[in-house]
Amino acid sequence: QVHLQQWGAGLLKPSETLSLTCAVYGGSFSGFYWSWIRQTPGRGLEWIGEINHSGSVNYNPSLKSRVTISVDTSKNQFSLKVDSVTAADTAVYYCATRIVVVDTGYFDPWGQGTRVTVSS
Amino acid sequence: SYVLTQPPSVSVAPGKTASIACGGNNIGTKSVHWYQQKSGQAPVLVIYHDGDRPSGVPERFSGSNSGNSATLTISRVEAGDEADYYCQVWDGSSDLPFGGGTKLTVL
Repeated sequence: QVHLQQWGAGLLKPSETLSLTCAVYGGSFSGFYWSWIRQTPGRGLEWIGEINHSGSVNYNPSLKSRVTISVDTSKNQFSLKVDSVTAADTAVYYCATRIVVVDTGYFDPWGQGTRVTVSS
Repeated sequence: SYVLTQPPSVSVAPGKTASIACGGNNIGTKSVHWYQQKSGQAPVLVIYHDGDRPSGVPERFSGSNSGNSATLTISRVEAGDEADYYCQVWDGSSDLPFGGGTKLTVL
């Protein structure tokens, strides 16, 4: 049974870099895509991007220019960086396992979430 | 980008049936997944591939998908079902959009 545990800084100033890490416990690290999703009252749930164990990444086109997702297979961890944050990046960020099926994919399970606030 | 539309809220009495719709252009050609999010918690998958239930999800939860609308149905609603519910698909190219969410209130 896969379990995800995430951590990272919760308070940032505008223009700083958001950095979060998610550790994967139990189950196999290969065979899945490891995703980041954020949630705001205004935009709801928004998929940010994902990576697999071999480093293949997919990004939401709307965020691609500022986002980097990386993986450390030796630690079964993956990470998110968002550059030049603004107040619009204030959100609860979740890591999640994407179960990949041809022409679809769903998220199960999710990490506990990290609330990130961007404020001067 | 592919847009999924959900009603903001649905109310139902205990023991009755709740239906939550998720609209999208030809959504019947896509595989729809549903998540339950209780207050202060992370979302949890309750239906995948239109109507399959993960282990541990009660049989009271079911789903269907046809034409321009998918539906999550919760039979014999209980107070513990009160939550926000989100639908999600793969848009066929590069995004995994979610619906705006529906708040289920148990009266």
